[in-house]
Amino acid sequence: QVQLVESGGGVVQPGRSLRLSCAASGFTFSLYGMHWVRQAPGKGLEWVAVISHDGRNTHYADSLKGRISVSRDNSENTVHLQMSSLRAEDTAVYYCAKERLVDIDHWGQGAVVTVSS
Amino acid sequence: SYELTQPPSVSVSPGQTARITCSGDELPKKYASWYQQKSGQAPLLVIYEDSQRPSGIPERFSGSSSGTMATLTISGAQMEDEADYYCYSTDGNGRVFGGGTKLTVL
Repeated sequence: QVQLVESGGGVVQPGRSLRLSCAASGFTFSLYGMHWVRQAPGKGLEWVAVISHDGRNTHYADSLKGRISVSRDNSENTVHLQMSSLRAEDTAVYYCAKERLVDIDHWGQGAVVTVSS
Repeated sequence: SYELTQPPSVSVSPGQTARITCSGDELPKKYASWYQQKSGQAPLLVIYEDSQRPSGIPERFSGSSSGTMATLTISGAQMEDEADYYCYSTDGNGRVFGGGTKLTVL
């Protein structure tokens, strides 16, 4: 079965950087686009980024462009989210998710990121 | 940037039909999907490509789309359906979630 396991979350000071990773298993990773979605405490889902199956194409939420970068390693079945200049409002659960044509069909359990001094 | 608009809350009694709407200018051209999220859990896909139901999702969940509005319908809502529901779509490049609708079944 599909498994997505995020790692790299934690407490980080404002202005610092953080790299989240997602280890995928249970499907042919190199055939599917991968997303990052976040959810601030008590708030709704916010789409963050997507990377195509081969890593050649990426798209980012307008609100985060310039501060985030998504990459993948198809040999390791992993996808990464690099975030910089972190702010308090970046505090959220960050989900890694698998694309299914035009939607998302599987989600990880999420990594908690807390931006605080 | 592209937005999808949902009502903040919907309430129904057990056994009644719940309808949650999602409006967006690109919906006539782009599919919508729907996600259920219960407290403390990751989202779960309940409808994709406007009206398709994934394996394992109860038949009481259905979806439709007409013009700029997509609708999630839960026929005979049960207590276990109480959750937040989000629509999701694209404007061609980026993706977007609606603001979410809290469904109360009581």
